[in-house]
Amino acid sequence: QKEVEQNSGPLSVPEGAIASLNCTYSDRGSQSFFWYRQYSGKSPELIMSIYSNGDKEDGRFTAQLNKASQYVSLLIRDSQPSDSATYLCAVKGVPSNTGKLIFGQGTTLQVKP
Amino acid sequence: NAGVTQTPKFQVLKTGQSMTLQCAQDMNHNSMYWYRQDPGMGLRLIYYSASEGTTDKGEVPNGYNVSRLNKREFSLRLESAAPSQTSVYFCASSDGQGANEQFFGPGTRLTVL
Repeated sequence: QKEVEQNSGPLSVPEGAIASLNCTYSDRGSQSFFWYRQYSGKSPELIMSIYSNGDKEDGRFTAQLNKASQYVSLLIRDSQPSDSATYLCAVKGVPSNTGKLIFGQGTTLQVKP
Repeated sequence: NAGVTQTPKFQVLKTGQSMTLQCAQDMNHNSMYWYRQDPGMGLRLIYYSASEGTTDKGEVPNGYNVSRLNKREFSLRLESAAPSQTSVYFCASSDGQGANEQFFGPGTRLTVL
């Protein structure tokens, strides 16, 4: 069973702090990894993608990938109340020609003013 | 560009009624997907179309049919709605190549009484 696992939370952090969201996946052959943000009542929005081991930074967001440990994380620096949402981790399944993504159940982040 | 559009936004059906959810994308993407999202269950793939002219079952296809009308449009049909099909339905699309980032429509909130 191919799985993507996330802690459902809620993860509560004060405004200005670093929020750390974590995700593990079971298929060692996975090559592409994505983070989506979903506000309540809205659709998922792609915020980060990462394909190689290491860190990828985009503004206040940093995605980290460790394929050996089958672990991907998202760091949000200087967290703002507007970052309060559910964050979905997604992994491109193997075989990869179908384009299918496997989603975790999401982690709810609450940023308190 | 509108991206991915879905109609209708909301729908209430009675058990046994049928309906079709419409999805269209203007990004010239090859692949399109239908998901349902239920509390505590995350995003689950119903059907997908890797390219124009092809469709395949996802994780939860029972009770649904799909049509890839052309490259832009991918519809989801409920032939005989059941209360278990009460959910939020999202359509997504991707170029189907390489990293395969998926982009989501705004969703359809369906209630079956």
